[in-house]
Amino acid sequence: DGGITQSPKYLFRKEGQNVTLSCEQNLNHDAMYWYRQDPGQGLRLIYYSQIVNDFQKGDIAEGYSVSREKKESFPLTVTSAQKNPTAFYLCASSHQRDRGTYEQYFGPGTRLTVT
Amino acid sequence: QQQVKQSPQSLIVQKGGISIINCAYENTAFDYFPWYQQFPGKGPALLIAIRPDVSEKKEGRFTISFNKSAKQFSLHIMDSQPGDSATYFCAASSAGSQGNLIFGKGTKLSVKP
Repeated sequence: DGGITQSPKYLFRKEGQNVTLSCEQNLNHDAMYWYRQDPGQGLRLIYYSQIVNDFQKGDIAEGYSVSREKKESFPLTVTSAQKNPTAFYLCASSHQRDRGTYEQYFGPGTRLTVT
Repeated sequence: QQQVKQSPQSLIVQKGGISIINCAYENTAFDYFPWYQQFPGKGPALLIAIRPDVSEKKEGRFTISFNKSAKQFSLHIMDSQPGDSATYFCAASSAGSQGNLIFGKGTKLSVKP
């Protein structure tokens, strides 16, 4: 059963603690992404990786870090430096369908609450 | 120039009616325009997508209309059903961005029985 898995579905942390969100895909996609979703804000790109051992900052990378040691995995760490970490986090992966068309697919998301 | 502007922010439609959501863009390098459907607490799902070499694409009750000269595209949901109630996002990307999507801010659709 192919797809993108994110765990856990709900995560609670105390302020000042780092927390790592898991994202795994078995679609054999090269590219993976992390987005943050807040009510009324749409989806904002945190980090993306086009290939193993390489990743790029998105629009709101401050306070976050990632790694891409394996093609299937792209974990996101929310550090204590992130000012407002409570949000719904979405992982995605994409493949090139044809001449520049990359179809992007999303995981089920992790809702992080920091108090 | 990288923005995709989506409207309306929310939409209420009667069952059986037509839902129309609009998006506009500025970057003429955009060449792929997908729509995503998201139910509460779930990840967005790819619904339908279009490239600018066609003006319309239809899949079941969902149709994308594309106006290249106006730099606008829209999603039409025919015979809207309560099960279509969700948030819809338009997006755009260019070949040079290697798949990085620019998203609109979303439209919350409610279909009343």
